[in-house]
Amino acid sequence: KAGVTQTPRYLIKTRGQQVTLSCSPISGHRSVSWYQQTPGQGLQFLFEYFSETQRNKGNFPGRFSGRQFSNSRSEMNVSTLELGDSALYLCASSKDGDSNQPQHFGDGTRLSIL
Amino acid sequence: AQTVTQSQPEMSVQEAETVTLSCTYDTSENNYYLFWYKQPPSRQMILVIRQEAYKQQNATENRFSVNFQKAAKSFSLKISDSQLGDTAMYFCAFRTAGGTSYGKLTFGQGTILTVHP
Repeated sequence: KAGVTQTPRYLIKTRGQQVTLSCSPISGHRSVSWYQQTPGQGLQFLFEYFSETQRNKGNFPGRFSGRQFSNSRSEMNVSTLELGDSALYLCASSKDGDSNQPQHFGDGTRLSIL
Repeated sequence: AQTVTQSQPEMSVQEAETVTLSCTYDTSENNYYLFWYKQPPSRQMILVIRQEAYKQQNATENRFSVNFQKAAKSFSLKISDSQLGDTAMYFCAFRTAGGTSYGKLTFGQGTILTVHP
């Protein structure tokens, strides 16, 4: 069974640009969560999607957005990139997003802003 | 809001020895889940062990076990017979049961564990 797949693995952008990251969950998983990981702030929850609907959102500005498609694949978008957006972005999937289900993580996308 | 604290930024242990990583958390919830995740240099977060707050029995997974003290809000991870492959960053994480906490894990700052040969 294939794991969570995130693309691309690395990305370099400049300030002011926008970026789209992709996440394909484990087959049969319908809940997808996104996290930002930085040395200073650690791992922070961005948002969660289930059946194409955002059910939960962390404390990030509106520049951070996401969506989920009918096949459960998810994308997150960051507009007007800032230097502070440089981070490892992790995606995690679970069957239904219920709290008793463990999340399975992808390898992440390393985003660098120049 | 929940917070998770890992007070040991770095730990080291000799191969085959035992090491304990500390984690404390703060919550007003009565029902929740606690997790330890491992993140090796390859970056992928791997679930090590999970504990349900309503279960008094401490969870174990092969060489990994936890000491869950609900009243003290403490959740430490013990790794027995440490192996070189255990070298990684270890994160303690909290998740509220039910409610509207869909998909949200709250993580500690992590502990870098190095296993020496």
